[in-house]
Amino acid sequence: GQNIDQPTEMTATEGAIVQINCTYQTSGFNGLFWYQQHAGEAPTFLSYNVLDGLEEKGRFSSFLSRSKGYSYLLLKELQMKDSASYLCAVRKNSNYQLIWGAGTKLIIKP
Amino acid sequence: DVKVTQSSRYLVKRTGEKVFLECVQDMDHENMFWYRQDPGLGLRLIYFSYDVKMKEKGDIPEGYSVSREKKERFSLILESASTNQTSMYLCASSLRGGNTNTQYFGPGTRLTVL
Repeated sequence: GQNIDQPTEMTATEGAIVQINCTYQTSGFNGLFWYQQHAGEAPTFLSYNVLDGLEEKGRFSSFLSRSKGYSYLLLKELQMKDSASYLCAVRKNSNYQLIWGAGTKLIIKP
Repeated sequence: DVKVTQSSRYLVKRTGEKVFLECVQDMDHENMFWYRQDPGLGLRLIYFSYDVKMKEKGDIPEGYSVSREKKERFSLILESASTNQTSMYLCASSLRGGNTNTQYFGPGTRLTVL
């Protein structure tokens, strides 16, 4: 079957670094997305990985290992506004459909 | 910027009512999607459309139908609302071509069925 696993909740301190992991088991792979979703709002796109390695975008970086079925989102210099849910999604093939993890709720403490 | 709008942020309906949720995007995207989001579950795809008048069932189409008469508009219809359809409904759109086909979301409609 198709499965995407993320931790349900994480807590971190303002100014610190946090890594949110995502593991997936899917029958195909054609890219992995990370989205941010603040409470009561729509998910917004953060990053996309299709090849192995690290993609850096400001304070946020995303890593992919296709052989391990593993990705992580790294958030540096945490700010209070980073308190949100972070959603991992895998595109299996080219028909545009995504399989979504349940999301990781990140709580930032002062 | 991509803009996806949904007709209502909050909606309260009674069991058995017919419910229409509208979604409009202004970026000429070919693909449009309807999801529902429930606590503890990932986004679940109800239907998607890759062109006008075209539709494909997602993972949980039962109890729902869709309509896409114009490229920019994708409607979700609950023929006879039930309490288990109380949820957050999210619409998204994306380009057909390109490398990522990133999906862009509307603000969501929180539907309560009494």
